[in-house]
Amino acid sequence: NAGVTQTPKFQVLKTGQSMTLQCAQDMNHEYMSWYRQDPGMGLRLIHYSVGAGITDQGEVPNGYNVSRSTTEDFPLRLLSAAPSQTSVYFCASSRQASSYNSPLHFGNGTRLTVT
Amino acid sequence: GDSVTQMEGPVTLSEEAFLTINCTYTATGYPSLFWYVQYPGEGLQLLLKATKADDKGSNKGFEATYRKETTSFHLEKGSVQVSDSAVYFCALSFNSGGYQKVTFGTGTKLQVIP
Repeated sequence: NAGVTQTPKFQVLKTGQSMTLQCAQDMNHEYMSWYRQDPGMGLRLIHYSVGAGITDQGEVPNGYNVSRSTTEDFPLRLLSAAPSQTSVYFCASSRQASSYNSPLHFGNGTRLTVT
Repeated sequence: GDSVTQMEGPVTLSEEAFLTINCTYTATGYPSLFWYVQYPGEGLQLLLKATKADDKGSNKGFEATYRKETTSFHLEKGSVQVSDSAVYFCALSFNSGGYQKVTFGTGTKLQVIP
């Protein structure tokens, strides 16, 4: 019963480097999303997807790209890392994109440090 | 826009004490309300939810009632345990452009001491 799987768990990048955070879910969920968690700011939505081939921006999309070629996978790409992107990143999914009663299922997070 | 305000922490309680974590919301429609819990080193997991006014969500001894008249969804537990030490997030979910949108509070850290 894997649920939502995120890799890697930890990552250190130098300013200007690029990388991809991986997220996969095995629950056939329609909705997938990426959040960043910063102290005192709760969780902020970066990008989300309501199905394969459909993505949209959240609250803080700048500096990040996403794509969703399959129902299962929703990678997050950092194009040119900046220290302001130091954060903990969470991937979350829910069963129905159109139902606001569907709870979110979270991965265990990726702790990213940009130096 | 829709938003959630929850009490700042950290909250420190002795084991078996009564817990209340306040959460109020602002919403133009009729959102669903959630409490999520985050244990150290883990992602958030659903604790309980309520989908309409006067609904009471409950799980693991925790309860919260959806109060439309006071726009609140306070989390309560009668007797906390050391294992309840975690960060608690209040969240609201509503329909935006045909899809769900979730807004989180800033989280309240609870520490329970023996």
